[in-house]
Amino acid sequence: DGGITQSPKYLFRKEGQNVTLSCEQNLNHDAMYWYRQDPGQGLRLIYYSQIVNDFQKGDIAEGYSVSREKKESFPLTVTSAQKNPTAFYLCASSRDRRGYEQYFGPGTRLTVT
Amino acid sequence: GDSVTQMEGPVTLSEEAFLTINCTYTATGYPSLFWYVQYPGEGLQLLLKATKADDKGSNKGFEATYRKETTSFHLEKGSVQVSDSAVYFCALSDMTPHSGGSNYKLTFGKGTLLTVNP
Repeated sequence: DGGITQSPKYLFRKEGQNVTLSCEQNLNHDAMYWYRQDPGQGLRLIYYSQIVNDFQKGDIAEGYSVSREKKESFPLTVTSAQKNPTAFYLCASSRDRRGYEQYFGPGTRLTVT
Repeated sequence: GDSVTQMEGPVTLSEEAFLTINCTYTATGYPSLFWYVQYPGEGLQLLLKATKADDKGSNKGFEATYRKETTSFHLEKGSVQVSDSAVYFCALSDMTPHSGGSNYKLTFGKGTLLTVNP
């Protein structure tokens, strides 16, 4: 089945540690996205990538980094510089053409203590 | 810039009641419009979409019509079920320029929590 996988579902880290969230898609989509979701705030765009080896900052990129070495993969690193990293993180992909929807993964809930 | 405003929740209904969740938008171009649904602890799923004025998107008994004159895309369902309890997001996709070119990013509303009681 085609889709987007994110792993792990739950992640716990100590403050000051970097952590990398995985996102893989087999939909052959060019564009991939990372969002952060906090209660009552909807979704906020962290980074997005339209093609391999290229990515753009979203609205809240500070404290995060990404890479796009393969079309299928778009990992997100939450660095120790991110002040409030505890959140639900969603990865998505699309064809990046007019009228096409984004497909979302199941999400990773990160808790930093 | 683009923005989406949807009615604040939470919305609580009894089973078989009529549902409306209002959504209005502002956009610089000619956007496509979407409704997504999120069940607890899960990612978002596309519920329906419309890509041009007067188009009606529909799925699983839900409907929404793209109204360019009122810049609206209200979600409706004639008879809700307990299983419809979820958070609903209205979103628009519009061509957005950036330093490397342009792309079709989604702009989301804040979401509306719907609870349907038996």
